[in-house]
Amino acid sequence: KAGVTQTPRYLIKTRGQQVTLSCSPISGHRSVSWYQQTPGQGLQFLFEYFSETQRNKGNFPGRFSGRQFSNSRSEMNVSTLELGDSALYLCASSLDRAETQYFGPGTRLLVL
Amino acid sequence: GEDVEQSLFLSVREGDSSVINCTYTDSSSTYLYWYKQEPGAGLQLLTYIFSNMDMKQDQRLTVLLNKKDKHLSLRIADTQTGDSAIYFCAGTHQAGTALIFGKGTTLSVSS
Repeated sequence: KAGVTQTPRYLIKTRGQQVTLSCSPISGHRSVSWYQQTPGQGLQFLFEYFSETQRNKGNFPGRFSGRQFSNSRSEMNVSTLELGDSALYLCASSLDRAETQYFGPGTRLLVL
Repeated sequence: GEDVEQSLFLSVREGDSSVINCTYTDSSSTYLYWYKQEPGAGLQLLTYIFSNMDMKQDQRLTVLLNKKDKHLSLRIADTQTGDSAIYFCAGTHQAGTALIFGKGTTLSVSS
């Protein structure tokens, strides 16, 4: 069974731009969560989607948003990029809510 | 809220056992997890333990859970150079869905 896939793998943007990252969960998994990893803050939870609805949200500004489609694929969007948004963005999928989460390879975003 | 703490570095010689420790504050997490991250990669699930278990063994990996002391450990037997990576322990806050991670322990294995 294929694992979690994320596209693109690398991205360079400039301040003020917006970006959309994509995540395809493991086949049959219905819950998708997003995490941000930075050297300073470590791994932080962004949000979780299940049945096309955001079910849980971390402590991030409204510039960070996401959505989930009927096939469980998910996208996250960051608007008005700031230098501090440079990070590895990880997507994780699980069969159902509160189940074991399996991570993708991440999208590395660099904001210049 | 949940707080998960780990020691930052561990250095061992090839063939030795490695023990990575983790303490947590929220005891309501149903499962506790260990993930491995190699350079430039995502997180790989290594193993997990149900909160009502004391120990779980999975090939070279042994997880010990002391709920009274809120202490979790991961023992890697016969450590190999390929085990060099960052290891994260994680739980969930109030048995919810968001994983709360420690800062990670960098394991360095020398031959």
